[in-house]
Amino acid sequence: GIQVEQSPPDLILQEGANSTLRCNFSDSVNNLQWFHQNPWGQLINLFYIPSGTKQNGRLSATTVATERYSLLYISSSQTTDSGVYFCAVEDNQGGKLIFGQGTELSVKP
Amino acid sequence: DTGVSQDPRHKITKRGQNVTFRCDPISEHNRLYWYRQTLGQGPEFLTYFQNEAQLEKSRLLSDRFSAERPKGSFSTLEIQRTEQGDSAMYLCASSPHGTPPSYEQYFGPGTRLTVT
Repeated sequence: GIQVEQSPPDLILQEGANSTLRCNFSDSVNNLQWFHQNPWGQLINLFYIPSGTKQNGRLSATTVATERYSLLYISSSQTTDSGVYFCAVEDNQGGKLIFGQGTELSVKP
Repeated sequence: DTGVSQDPRHKITKRGQNVTFRCDPISEHNRLYWYRQTLGQGPEFLTYFQNEAQLEKSRLLSDRFSAERPKGSFSTLEIQRTEQGDSAMYLCASSPHGTPPSYEQYFGPGTRLTVT
């Protein structure tokens, strides 16, 4: 099955700094989503981005499907950005999402 | 438009007991998914439905687990004879499905199960 790898596993930033999170996947995919998991466990949708670039406020994402990776950019980070960021891909066999192990982000004031 | 809802939010049970969780998807979504997440890991797929048909089950879904979506709306996930290894967050998601062949999944708040 498809393997999804996220890097780095942990990231500590000072408030106001920028960061880039990476997601590599091992095969072609129908769909790629980025999520932020809050401290209560809720997965918040950030981007649905099987290819191309999207921006939403301080966050943007780029997926290069031909090279099998996606990047999530966080600019001017805030303490509320802390939490775990997951990348998930949908394989070509059906509807399920395959998640990476996540990047745990901690933004210090 | 309300999101995906799950009930209960927390469940503590003793080993050997049966538990049932409910998921109500976003109303116009015809696909419904169950995932399980243990501490420090990403969610893992368990099973999914398109309308009332169960289309795929993970090998993680042992014989003690059963899921239903009888009228193509809400779904239930039952765990029989719970074991301590079943302690996890159980997440439900829904998505529309049609053409093109893939749509964004939206997750509920989860049910956190603790087996003592």
